[in-house]
Amino acid sequence: GESVGLHLPTLSVQEGDNSIINCAYSNSASDYFIWYKQESGKGPQFIIDIRSNMDKRQGQRVTVLLNKTVKHLSLQIAATQPGDSAVYFCAANNADRYNQGGKLIFGQGTELSVKP
Amino acid sequence: DAGVIQSPRHEVTEMGQEVTLRCKPISGHNSLFWYRQTMMRGLELLIYFNNNVPIDDSGMPEDRFSAKMPNASFSTLKIQPSEPRDSAVYFCASTMKIGDRGRSDTQYFGPGTRLTVL
Repeated sequence: GESVGLHLPTLSVQEGDNSIINCAYSNSASDYFIWYKQESGKGPQFIIDIRSNMDKRQGQRVTVLLNKTVKHLSLQIAATQPGDSAVYFCAANNADRYNQGGKLIFGQGTELSVKP
Repeated sequence: DAGVIQSPRHEVTEMGQEVTLRCKPISGHNSLFWYRQTMMRGLELLIYFNNNVPIDDSGMPEDRFSAKMPNASFSTLKIQPSEPRDSAVYFCASTMKIGDRGRSDTQYFGPGTRLTVL
């Protein structure tokens, strides 16, 4: 079945450095991808999304890159701050021939720790 | 906008008891999702509704779990009887999906209900 996986369960960076969190997906028909941030005791919070007709999208301090050839996406956080410490999830839509595209498949999450 | 509202935020119950979790989606959204999150299994989709109709319930663990959406602004997830292995955080999320073949869009999550079954 479809799967979404993250390359590293944990990532530790120095405050001010850039962070890169990677994710791979298996369903070549997926056409919508999204990154969520989850802080302790809270629900996942939308960060940024990208559709398959793009390979890059930028937000405030965040950039998502999509490589459809190798089915890989990444989240880049510029000038990482202590408030960025959280678990980050990538998700891909479970597209199939019936295009019931509402379903998202989530990866396991990468815990980002920012050292002051 | 108040966002997705879930209640209760915490629930502690004894094995065998019935548990009902509640969700109010964002006004105007027509798709609603129930997820379960545990350390071992991560975030799992249990069931989702589109226009109050259950579309995919393949993630519901077993017959002890049931979900309803009587109207566009309310959904329940019921566990009867509850077991210790049901202990988890249960999230509700909602989004706006246009038509049966509508494209995927951002799902907005509620704060979750932390369920502990003793």
